[in-house]
Amino acid sequence: DAGVIQSPRHEVTEMGQEVTLRCKPISGHDYLFWYRQTMMRGLELLIYFNNNVPIDDSGMPEDRFSAKMPNASFSTLKIQPSEPRDSAVYFCASSYRVTEDGYTFGSGTRLTVV
Amino acid sequence: AQSVTQPDIHITVSEGASLELRCNYSYGATPYLFWYVQSPGQGLQLLLKYFSGDTLVQGIKGFEAEFKRSQTSFNLRKPSVHWSDAAEYFCAVGTFQLSFGAGTTVTVRA
Repeated sequence: DAGVIQSPRHEVTEMGQEVTLRCKPISGHDYLFWYRQTMMRGLELLIYFNNNVPIDDSGMPEDRFSAKMPNASFSTLKIQPSEPRDSAVYFCASSYRVTEDGYTFGSGTRLTVV
Repeated sequence: AQSVTQPDIHITVSEGASLELRCNYSYGATPYLFWYVQSPGQGLQLLLKYFSGDTLVQGIKGFEAEFKRSQTSFNLRKPSVHWSDAAEYFCAVGTFQLSFGAGTTVTVRA
């Protein structure tokens, strides 16, 4: 298995532009999580899905952020418009049995908004 | 509410020496506890987990952790550290939504 695949690995964009981050979870994993990692706030859960349905999006910082999971093998996190304070590493993780197996993380997307 | 505290931001240890990383949790029920490791520029990799049974759990790369309910702790240990263990270590608690600690950075000196 190729693991959780995120793209792009790095993204540099100008303030005000739309940014789309992509994630392909491990086949058979029915939980998908988006986390953001910054020096100041550590790892924050943004949103998670179960069977492609958003379960809890209370961590999404504001309306500029949106996430979708149109099918079991693909999810996107979109920021529109982007701001410099959105600069962070965004991780996607998937799981089959969270309480027994934990999460499998992707390598992350490092987003820089200038 | 669930939360995790990792009191040590940074630890330096000599290669071959033992390592212990502290983790204290707050959780309303029986906790599910995890330790992850993150190498620079990489995602987090699961080292070990605890959810029931033997309170001493073994993980990958020679790591172990001990769950102590009375102390609400889940400390990670390794008897002899290798240079490749230099990384950031995260403790996490939760069921479907994991809360992570702030992390402990481990530096290994020759």
